[in-house]
Amino acid sequence: GIQVEQSPPDLILQEGANSTLRCNFSDSVNNLQWFHQNPWGQLINLFYIPSGTKQNGRLSATTVATERYSLLYISSSQTTDSGVYFCAVEGTTGNQFYFGTGTSLTVIP
Amino acid sequence: EPEVTQTPSHQVTQMGQEVILRCVPISNHLYFYWYRQILGQKVEFLVSFYNNEISEKSEIFDDQFSVERPDGSNFTLKIRSTKLEDSAMYFCASREDRLAKNIQYFGAGTRLSVL
Repeated sequence: GIQVEQSPPDLILQEGANSTLRCNFSDSVNNLQWFHQNPWGQLINLFYIPSGTKQNGRLSATTVATERYSLLYISSSQTTDSGVYFCAVEGTTGNQFYFGTGTSLTVIP
Repeated sequence: EPEVTQTPSHQVTQMGQEVILRCVPISNHLYFYWYRQILGQKVEFLVSFYNNEISEKSEIFDDQFSVERPDGSNFTLKIRSTKLEDSAMYFCASREDRLAKNIQYFGAGTRLSVL
């Protein structure tokens, strides 16, 4: 299967700070999604971004498929941004997501 | 945004009992999935389902597990005889069309606790 590595594993930010989360993957992909897992365990889809750049409010994401990585940017972080951020990829064959181990973000007031 | 619905949100069961986790995928979607997440670990693929049959499954999905689409709306995961290590969050997901390379939508999950 595809190996998905996320960094950093843990991140503590002061409210208002910016951050960049990284996702590296080991093979070509057809699909890449970023998720936020909230304290109740729900997976909230943030971006569908197999390539290119997207923005949604304070969040943006960039995937460079040829170099096999994706970045999630969080600007002006808020305490509600706390949780675990997962990157998941789907290869060019097969029909499943491979998830990374996540980045645990804590935003302190 | 379209929604995948999972019930119950939390299921507690005794070891050895059978459990059925239920999911209602988005109505025009054709591909359905189950994933699980053991506490503190990453999300792992269990099985995918298309055209009323399993299209792919992982090593985790052994004979204790089965999936079914009993009617036009529900998609279920059955664990025949639960073990302590089956305790996890189980997520259902669906997508419209794999060939279109589009989004997998995830439900809110069912937390299974095996005692």
